[in-house]
Amino acid sequence: AQTVTQSQPEMSVQEAETVTLSCTYDTSESDYYLFWYKQPPSRQMILVIRQEAYKQQNATENRFSVNFQKAAKSFSLKISDSQLGDAAMYFCAYRRIQGAQKLVFGQGTRLTINP
Amino acid sequence: NAGVTQTPKFRILKIGQSMTLQCTQDMNHNYMYWYRQDPGMGLKLIYYSVGAGITDKGEVPNGYNVSRSTTEDFPLRLELAAPSQTSVYFCASSTGQGTYEQYFGPGTRLTVT
Repeated sequence: AQTVTQSQPEMSVQEAETVTLSCTYDTSESDYYLFWYKQPPSRQMILVIRQEAYKQQNATENRFSVNFQKAAKSFSLKISDSQLGDAAMYFCAYRRIQGAQKLVFGQGTRLTINP
Repeated sequence: NAGVTQTPKFRILKIGQSMTLQCTQDMNHNYMYWYRQDPGMGLKLIYYSVGAGITDKGEVPNGYNVSRSTTEDFPLRLELAAPSQTSVYFCASSTGQGTYEQYFGPGTRLTVT
């Protein structure tokens, strides 16, 4: 079974600085998807960024980028120019290509932005 | 489009009571999911459906039942509520095609006392 591990329960960063959230996963599959979701205090799950495992290029969405290391099974999220609105729980998630596309989530990292 | 809607937003149940959490999506998605999120944890899959009339168990199905009679609706039934079912419940849906992004509802916070 696939597992996802986020080893940082909490992180904090000064506003306008850069922070990196870590995620590792375990799978025997060669093709899969990886995601970062943001969950603000409203509880709404918001997709931040996705990465297809067959793509070597790291995904980027505005201030959010990932460092995808397939051999190491590592998928970190970098947030540049941190803003107060970035404060939230962040979840890393894995999904197989085939089958019912069920998401497997990590435990989450709570990100605090210090003004 | 309303996306994925869930009712109720909050509910308190007594031990042994039953209830149904409602989930509706208006995006004509074939795939629907129920997750639970315990305090300080990630989401875990309870049940999922790949189309009307088809459902299957996820990681933590015990104590729950689902049905999928229409494409739009995917209710989750709790029978004989227990304190261990205190959690936030999320419904999600996806097309099953392309990058298969899952769209989440706002969640239902359930407390069993």
